[in-house]
Amino acid sequence: KAGVTQTPRYLIKTRGQQVTLSCSPISGHRSVSWYQQTPGQGLQFLFEYFSETQRNKGNFPGRFSGRQFSNSRSEMNVSTLELGDSALYLCASSRHTLDSQETQYFGPGTRLLVL
Amino acid sequence: DQQVKQNSPSLSVQEGRISILNCDYTNSMFDYFLWYKKYPAEGPTFLISISSIKDKNEDGRFTVFLNKSAKHLSLHIVPSQPGDSAVYFCAASEREYGGATNKLIFGTGTLLAVQP
Repeated sequence: KAGVTQTPRYLIKTRGQQVTLSCSPISGHRSVSWYQQTPGQGLQFLFEYFSETQRNKGNFPGRFSGRQFSNSRSEMNVSTLELGDSALYLCASSRHTLDSQETQYFGPGTRLLVL
Repeated sequence: DQQVKQNSPSLSVQEGRISILNCDYTNSMFDYFLWYKKYPAEGPTFLISISSIKDKNEDGRFTVFLNKSAKHLSLHIVPSQPGDSAVYFCAASEREYGGATNKLIFGTGTLLAVQP
């Protein structure tokens, strides 16, 4: 079974631009979550989508948004990029039921550099 | 407020010996815990998990122990191998609004170096 895939793997943008990152979950997984990893803040939860609905959101500004499609694929968008948005953005998928936690499996990440 | 803490930034062990990585948490509502292994610029790789209704879970060379009263969990790797050298993260999640959530709170990581 193919793992979680993320595109693009590397991205360079300048301040003020916007960016869209894409994630394809493991086949059969309906939940997709996004995380940001930076040297200073570590791994931080951005948001979770299940059945095209945002179920949970981390403590990030409104410039960070996401969506999920009917095939469970997900995108996240960052508008008006700031230097501090430079990070590794990770997507994770799980089967996820509403009754029990399921293991999340991570993709390889998208490395974003903002200049 | 760091809800999940890994107080040892690094750990060095000899090949064949036991590696013990520790993790403490403060939120008593956490009920699911996971350990991930990570290499730089790659996504975390799932190792093992444990539900709060258990106190031990084993999978091959990996065993996770959970002490709910102490709010402490540990990962034991026996025997340690050079290929185990990586950063190890513990993570926790809790039920919210009566349902399961995939919001993982991660610790800061422990760099494990296994010396040949």
